[in-house]
Amino acid sequence: DVKVTQSSRYLVKRTGEKVFLECVQDMDHENMFWYRQDPGLGLRLIYFSYDVKMKEKGDIPEGYSVSREKKERFSLILESASTNQTSMYLCASSFGSGTVQETQYFGPGTRLLVL
Amino acid sequence: RKEVEQDPGPFNVPEGATVAFNCTYSNSASQSFFWYRQDCRKEPKLLMSVYSSGNEDGRFTAQLNRASQYISLLIRDSKLSDSATYLCVVNRAAGNKLTFGGGTRVLVKP
Repeated sequence: DVKVTQSSRYLVKRTGEKVFLECVQDMDHENMFWYRQDPGLGLRLIYFSYDVKMKEKGDIPEGYSVSREKKERFSLILESASTNQTSMYLCASSFGSGTVQETQYFGPGTRLLVL
Repeated sequence: RKEVEQDPGPFNVPEGATVAFNCTYSNSASQSFFWYRQDCRKEPKLLMSVYSSGNEDGRFTAQLNRASQYISLLIRDSKLSDSATYLCVVNRAAGNKLTFGGGTRVLVKP
């Protein structure tokens, strides 16, 4: 069974704080993704990575950065948290075989509240 | 226009009944299609891939209509445990990025 874990289920931070969200997968997947999910907007891609030290912007990268120093770990960083970053953050990974039909496996999510 | 659109529902379904709902996508170059299921306050999980010829997995049937750019999901003999939000997912033409619809909520009632 693929396991994707996220460092926190719930997080409360103050405006302006630097926030780190960690994601770890145990299946040696090449691809990792960070999404946020908001009511009425669905899942939106923030950043993704196809390899160690490689990152690409998704649809809504503003206000976020990422780090992938090891294959199994993909971190999302909010440099200066703002209230509009209050959301559910979901990490996902996929095998990375190069084929188009690839299942993405999700972590349990982190509910972030920025006050 | 959103890339992937779904009726948000909820679809209130009596236990044992059949329910079906669609999803439309705007990118005609999309090649892969999926249905994911998301339970309340849980992460999305793959329900099934959708193939060009249509496919069935137990009580679930998925269809793809490329000409009209929509996919459908049909659930037969609905169970209480089928209550969830069903996410329509389409790959983008380039790379392994997926676009998620907003989800269709299904409530199965006794």
